[in-house]
Amino acid sequence: GDSVTQMEGPVTLSEEAFLTINCTYTATGYPSLFWYVQYPGEGLQLLLKATKADDKGSNKGFEATYRKETTSFHLEKGSVQVSDSAVYFCALPFDTGRRALTFGSGTRLQVQP
Amino acid sequence: GAGVSQTPSNKVTEKGKYVELRCDPISGHTALYWYRQSLGQGPEFLIYFQGTGAADDSGLPNDRFFAVRPEGSVSTLKIQRTERGDSAVYLCASSLSAGITDTQYFGPGTRLTVL
Repeated sequence: GDSVTQMEGPVTLSEEAFLTINCTYTATGYPSLFWYVQYPGEGLQLLLKATKADDKGSNKGFEATYRKETTSFHLEKGSVQVSDSAVYFCALPFDTGRRALTFGSGTRLQVQP
Repeated sequence: GAGVSQTPSNKVTEKGKYVELRCDPISGHTALYWYRQSLGQGPEFLIYFQGTGAADDSGLPNDRFFAVRPEGSVSTLKIQRTERGDSAVYLCASSLSAGITDTQYFGPGTRLTVL
């Protein structure tokens, strides 16, 4: 089945620093790609998604571009805040047509004031 | 509006016991998913319902795990003869329909500890 690999954490940054969290995928087709975020003490929530190649998903200042040439969906933010401290998960459907998602192992981001 | 709710939030049980975990999806959502998340890992898929039927149960690890959704709304995940390796956070998610781009909304999870 399809799978994702994301960079290990923790990633520790100072406030206003630039953030990149790498995510690469293996897929037989061109699946939709997702970034989910888990804030401390909260449930998993969708951050952004892209449904086809070259799409850019964006939300809350975060962006990720679906790049089929490099099979990547890296998460970026130009200026992080302390409130962005969370665990970030890259995800895609298991296989073309399946609804269940397969997730990366997560990257913990810690932003220091 | 109300999100996905799960009860109990925490469950401690002894090895060999039976447990039931409940999920209340967002009203009107036809698709419901169960995942489990071990410490330091991403969620792992268990089972997916479309309406009342299990459309994909390929993630259930063995026959000790079973889930139902008899009226197409609330779902119960049932684990028989629990083992210490079953300890994890069990997550439920729902989506409006079964479209592959539909957003899955997750509940807060049930933390299961098997002693």
